[in-house]
Amino acid sequence: EAGVAQSPRYKIIEKRQSVAFWCNPISGHATLYWYQQILGQGPKLLIQFQNNGVVDDSQLPKDRFSAERLKGVDSTLKIQPAKLEDSAVYLCASSLGAQGKADTQYFGPGTRLTVL
Amino acid sequence: AQRVTQPEKLLSVFKGAPVELKCNYSYSGSPELFWYVQYSRQRLQLLLRHISRESIKGFTADLNKGETSFHLKKPFAQEEDSAMYYCALGGQGAQKLVFGQGTRLTINP
Repeated sequence: EAGVAQSPRYKIIEKRQSVAFWCNPISGHATLYWYQQILGQGPKLLIQFQNNGVVDDSQLPKDRFSAERLKGVDSTLKIQPAKLEDSAVYLCASSLGAQGKADTQYFGPGTRLTVL
Repeated sequence: AQRVTQPEKLLSVFKGAPVELKCNYSYSGSPELFWYVQYSRQRLQLLLRHISRESIKGFTADLNKGETSFHLKKPFAQEEDSAMYYCALGGQGAQKLVFGQGTRLTINP
């Protein structure tokens, strides 16, 4: 079974530039998550999709971050403009999306973003 | 609000010794607890969840609602257990997970 795919694996940009990350979840998984993991901390949920609808984006800094999941499969996360504090690993995860319970989440390898 | 606390950032034990990674949570509803693990150069992956009540790689974890804890235990540590361990909390009826800051476990030979 193919796992969650993410690209790019690494990205270095200067502050105020824009960046986009891509995620392809496990086939058949209805729920897709984007997490931000700052060095020394656990993953923090940014946004959760159920198919192509947003379930939770309460911790997404909407003035600079945006995400979409067209056709309920692949997803992109964009930062525009980036700030120094956005330096982190961005993790994508997916799960079957069983109703009413916390599913096992399957994680991608992550994208390490460095903002200079 | 959901909150997970892992009090130890680093934990080092000798091979063959017992290991316990602590996790405390705060949640007013009925919690679902998980342990995720990340081995060197690998992805974050599920180790075990409390509703399964199973032992994975010799690890067990018991949900103690009175103490709001979900500590991870193994009686005899092995070198391959060296990894980063994260405790995670899911709320009742919700798929969202809140993660602790993680504990880096090192097993010394």
